[in-house]
Amino acid sequence: DAGVIQSPRHEVTEMGQEVTLRCKPISGHDYLFWYRQTMMRGLELLIYFNNNVPIDDSGMPEDRFSAKMPNASFSTLKIQPSEPRDSAVYFCASRRLAGRETGELFFGEGSRLTVL
Amino acid sequence: GIQVEQSPPDLILQEGANSTLRCNFSDSVNNLQWFHQNPWGQLINLFYIPSGTKQNGRLSATTVATERYSLLYISSSQTTDSGVYFCAVEYNFNKFYFGSGTKLNVKP
Repeated sequence: DAGVIQSPRHEVTEMGQEVTLRCKPISGHDYLFWYRQTMMRGLELLIYFNNNVPIDDSGMPEDRFSAKMPNASFSTLKIQPSEPRDSAVYFCASRRLAGRETGELFFGEGSRLTVL
Repeated sequence: GIQVEQSPPDLILQEGANSTLRCNFSDSVNNLQWFHQNPWGQLINLFYIPSGTKQNGRLSATTVATERYSLLYISSSQTTDSGVYFCAVEYNFNKFYFGSGTKLNVKP
């Protein structure tokens, strides 16, 4: 089975532009997570979904950030307008807790965002 | 919240050497995972180990949940083991807290 798939792998944009990051979770996983990794703060949870419904967005830094999950196989994280301090690696992760699954967390390869 | 501390923060090894990485956590947790972030930034699952001992090739891990620590053992290290090793604990449901990592450099 394919792992968590993220796109784009790299994004360079200018301050003020809209950025959209995409994620396809592992098929059958019922939880999807967006994390951000920076040198200063390490890995931080931004938001997570259960069966496409946002459950906890307390980690979303501000209103410029939004996330959606229109179906079980696709999620987006949008930043509008982007600022230089948003530069980071954004990871998507998924897990399955239904049935007897262990609930192991699997990460995508990340999207490295640079805002100039 | 919970504190997750990893040690040592940095480690330099000669190829072939063994090492032990430690993860201490300040409260009871539901789950614990070890990850390896390779030099390309990929987060690779090593172990899902809320308790007990597991082995996978040259790597093994032990979690003593009652004493709030986990250990990752790397034997006969190779240059491809270089990168950052993270411990992550699930303290609240679906909230994984990551340590700051151990940066490993294996020299040929």
